[in-house]
Amino acid sequence: GENVEQHPSTLSVQEGDSAVIKCTYSDSASNYFPWYKQELGKRPQLIIDIRSNVGEKKDQRIAVTLNKTAKHFSLHITETQPEDSAVYFCAAGYGGTSYGKLTFGQGTILTVHP
Amino acid sequence: ETGVTQSPTHLIKTRGQQVTLRCSSQSGHNTVSWYQQALGQGPQFIFQYYREEENGRGNFPPRFSGLQFPNYSSELNVNALELDDSALYLCASSLGGLGETQYFGPGTRLLVL
Repeated sequence: GENVEQHPSTLSVQEGDSAVIKCTYSDSASNYFPWYKQELGKRPQLIIDIRSNVGEKKDQRIAVTLNKTAKHFSLHITETQPEDSAVYFCAAGYGGTSYGKLTFGQGTILTVHP
Repeated sequence: ETGVTQSPTHLIKTRGQQVTLRCSSQSGHNTVSWYQQALGQGPQFIFQYYREEENGRGNFPPRFSGLQFPNYSSELNVNALELDDSALYLCASSLGGLGETQYFGPGTRLLVL
């Protein structure tokens, strides 16, 4: 089955700096890669996703890049703010089929210091 | 548009008991996936229901079972509870059987003593 590795497990940055979180996946059939943000005691919230026919996607301060050949994808947050502090999860799945299992990484605890 | 809701929010059970967790999908969504999130871990896929049929299952024993109703709400049942079943149980709804763009509910925190 699919295996998703996420690094780093913790990331501490100063406000205004950039943050990068990286994930690798094992199953080349995976074609859908969402990122979720989970604040303490709250539900995971989808912040951005990318499909395998796209190499990069951007939404304001957040961008995701995908390298299908190397089977890795990354989340980039620019101009970080204290409210970006949360746990971030990457996931890989089979979008476009009838089977929708998402395999999640272990999470990255991002702390943005004012 | 109504978001995903789950009940109850918290639950305490003892080992060997049975529990039923409930999920109402987002308006217009016909697919519900269930995940178990242990403390400090990413969510792990339990199973998915699409139009009232199980549509894929993760590596969980048969004592984890589910149901989806005609209104697309869903239940997760766990029999013979074990201490390791203590976790946050999340459901996520999505449109169609595609499983992509899953929107999560707030979760049910289960503690097994």
